[in-house]
Amino acid sequence: EAQVTQNPRYLITVTGKKLTVTCSQNMNHEYMSWYRQDPGLGLRQIYYSMNVEVTDKGDVPEGYKVSRKEKRNFPLILESPSPNQTSLYFCASSPREGLNYGYTFGSGTRLTVV
Amino acid sequence: AQKITQTQPGMFVQEKEAVTLDCTYDTSDPSYGLFWYKQPSSGEMIFLIYQGSYDQQNATEGRYSLNFQKARKSANLVISASQLGDSAMYFCAMREYQGGKLIFGQGTELSVKP
Repeated sequence: EAQVTQNPRYLITVTGKKLTVTCSQNMNHEYMSWYRQDPGLGLRQIYYSMNVEVTDKGDVPEGYKVSRKEKRNFPLILESPSPNQTSLYFCASSPREGLNYGYTFGSGTRLTVV
Repeated sequence: AQKITQTQPGMFVQEKEAVTLDCTYDTSDPSYGLFWYKQPSSGEMIFLIYQGSYDQQNATEGRYSLNFQKARKSANLVISASQLGDSAMYFCAMREYQGGKLIFGQGTELSVKP
């Protein structure tokens, strides 16, 4: 089954404790992206990658890191999480950049930082 | 700047009735794609329908249709014969040709009444 797999689905952590949210896709997509969703703000892009070893900042990159060492994986790293990073996170992938390719989304990760 | 606006934070519709969710967009790029996603309470993002800026006809997918008015920069989603399972958050999104980012509106929460 073609899908984007995110783990974990739920995570509660403490301020300052480094964490990684994994994302993997099995569709050979070039383009991958991370979004966060907050009430009233919709979904905002954190980072994106157009291909292996090519990553760039989205609209809200502060406090996050990513890497794209393999085409299928695009982990999101929070080096020192803070309470304002409590959010619902989505990983998404697409065949390539371009207007007529929609995204396939992972199931989401609900992160709470206390 | 690219922008998506959904002016209806919440809507109610009677079961079996049709409902229109509004979406307006702003872009200077002549090539773009418009998408609608559904997000049920479980949190996942489900792709519903796509409309390209050069498509001559309005897109349809089963009970979903997109009322595309290019001159007015609107891309309203029409759901016919609403079902209880249609209760969810609905997001309008746009992707420009030159970039990979999918830009989202703030969403409309639809509640279907029995």
